[in-house]
Amino acid sequence: NAGVTQTPKFQVLKTGQSMTLQCAQDMNHNSMYWYRQDPGMGLRLIYYSASEGTTDKGEVPNGYNVSRLNKREFSLRLESAAPSQTSVYFCASSEWRNTEAFFGQGTRLTVV
Amino acid sequence: DQQVKQNSPSLSVQEGRISILNCDYTNSMFDYFLWYKKYPAEGPTFLISISSIKDKNEDGRFTVFLNKSAKHLSLHIVPSQPGDSAVYFCAALSTVSARQLTFGSGTQLTVLP
Repeated sequence: NAGVTQTPKFQVLKTGQSMTLQCAQDMNHNSMYWYRQDPGMGLRLIYYSASEGTTDKGEVPNGYNVSRLNKREFSLRLESAAPSQTSVYFCASSEWRNTEAFFGQGTRLTVV
Repeated sequence: DQQVKQNSPSLSVQEGRISILNCDYTNSMFDYFLWYKKYPAEGPTFLISISSIKDKNEDGRFTVFLNKSAKHLSLHIVPSQPGDSAVYFCAALSTVSARQLTFGSGTQLTVLP
């Protein structure tokens, strides 16, 4: 009963490097989300996918791209990492976009 | 422009007493409110929710109150237990618009034994 699984759990990048954060859910949910959490700022939505085949920008999309690979998987890509992207990233899923979301354990990313 | 505000970054309460966590919102389109709990190094977990058609929802030791006219909600935990020590996030959404979950900045609750 895994729920939402994110990989990797930790990552250190150099400025300018690229990487992809992976997320998969096994709850047959339609909607998936990527959030970032920064101290004192709560969780801010980066991108979301209301249903398979669609993606939309959230509150802080700059510097990121996403792919909804299939119903289960939703990846987040940093093409050229910047120190401002140092954060904890959470993937989440929900049955539909207006119901409670279930979160993964997070990816702690440091850009040096 | 924070649409969901948790003005208390931290709260300490004695074990067995009541914990009251507060949340204010500014967007009148929000009609569904949720509380999440987060332990260190884990993702947030859903705790309790309330629809705007209600003013109270109870689940065991947890009760959420909604005051729509004041755009204010609160989470009551009675009695508080040391295992309740965590960061609590308030979140809101509009079920009729494209708006996604909007989170507050969180309140660190510490329950002292």
